[in-house]
Amino acid sequence: EPEVTQTPSHQVTQMGQEVILRCVPISNHLYFYWYRQILGQKVEFLVSFYNNEISEKSEIFDDQFSVERPDGSNFTLKIRSTKLEDSAMYFCASSAGPNTGELFFGEGSRLTVL
Amino acid sequence: QKEVEQNSGPLSVPEGAIASLNCTYSDRVSQSFFWYRQYSGKSPELIMSIYSNGDKEDGRFTAQLNKASQYVSLLIRDSQPSDSATYLCAVNFSGGYNKLIFGAGTRLAVHP
Repeated sequence: EPEVTQTPSHQVTQMGQEVILRCVPISNHLYFYWYRQILGQKVEFLVSFYNNEISEKSEIFDDQFSVERPDGSNFTLKIRSTKLEDSAMYFCASSAGPNTGELFFGEGSRLTVL
Repeated sequence: QKEVEQNSGPLSVPEGAIASLNCTYSDRVSQSFFWYRQYSGKSPELIMSIYSNGDKEDGRFTAQLNKASQYVSLLIRDSQPSDSATYLCAVNFSGGYNKLIFGAGTRLAVHP
């Protein structure tokens, strides 16, 4: 069964360092997303991406965050200068359509900022 | 501010019973509604979607939607210990590119 894969599964970094989280969406999906979940809290939308540009982003997704699809298969989330409050599980997801709500999530990348 | 509210639980039911999970949402123009299951330490997994008023059944799961009351529920029949997880209600508020707003989830514990 096709799946979304994410790397790394866990990353520990120092505050102020740059982090890149990587995702390989399901191959025939065209819509890509990043969500995050702080431990014990809700899953929160960060950004949606289609046709090599951001479709929508939340207020969490400030100038410290960026996304790109550098090579047609990977979809990356970059955090430029990490803060303690960026510690969370980051989920990549993909979907076949834009408004189906039927997202396929990867297993997540746990980011710990010290 | 668009909100999705769920009782955090835990909801404890015996094996074989019906588990009933509820969710309310704040925006009357919401178009689509979803139930995701999340096992501890894992990612959300879609189990049901519902788009129009009424009931939708899929195996042991039934989703119910009442747009007038801004209410969506999930019934799990013949609950199994493997159903023990957190159930997340999610709403795709109109106009969003799958910008799902999730509730905090209801933790379900099915005991043998």
